[in-house]
Amino acid sequence: GEDVEQSLFLSVREGDSSVINCTYTDSSSTYLYWYKQEPGAGLQLLTYIFSNMDMKQDQRLTVLLNKKDKHLSLRIADTQTGDSAIYFCAVTPMGGGATNKLIFGTGTLLAVQP
Amino acid sequence: EAQVTQNPRYLITVTGKKLTVTCSQNMNHEYMSWYRQDPGLGLRQIYYSMNVEATDKGDVPEGYKVSRKEKRNFPLILESPSPNQTSLYFCASRGKGQALGYTFGSGTRLTVV
Repeated sequence: GEDVEQSLFLSVREGDSSVINCTYTDSSSTYLYWYKQEPGAGLQLLTYIFSNMDMKQDQRLTVLLNKKDKHLSLRIADTQTGDSAIYFCAVTPMGGGATNKLIFGTGTLLAVQP
Repeated sequence: EAQVTQNPRYLITVTGKKLTVTCSQNMNHEYMSWYRQDPGLGLRQIYYSMNVEATDKGDVPEGYKVSRKEKRNFPLILESPSPNQTSLYFCASRGKGQALGYTFGSGTRLTVV
């Protein structure tokens, strides 16, 4: 089945850019998402990209999709201490829309140093 | 405010004592799901529902039951909880458009002793 992998930890300084990476195995994935989880809270949808797109920008967030390498990344410009959280990559596999399935990565803990 | 509400937020129980975690959404969403989150494993889907009276197993359904008698509610039932069900549980819902993604509840931290 689908496997989604992320690195566990990333530390950056306030004001720098952060890049969080994700790889997946199912090349037929249709929608790919980034979620943010703050301590003690549920997951909040940050952004998504459809599989026929290469890039999507939304204010400080830039999502890049390399379908050939099955690689997804989330870039946060001008990272702030409030961006400290766990970031999850999630993909909808082929047919996943009908089954309501979303496959999550293990999450990347982003620590922003003042 | 559009939201998914789970109760309780925290629960400590003993092995074998039946419990229910409630989930309610006020967005008229068709799809609802339960996930568990464990360290190093990310989120894994337990059960999902496509609409009223339409439920099916996710990746880790053993030891759990669900029901969807009304569109807004999707309770998770543990008939005989065991320590390996100690976890952080999330309910989520979405409408028919996949691009909108899921709205998640705040989570229920369950400890089974």
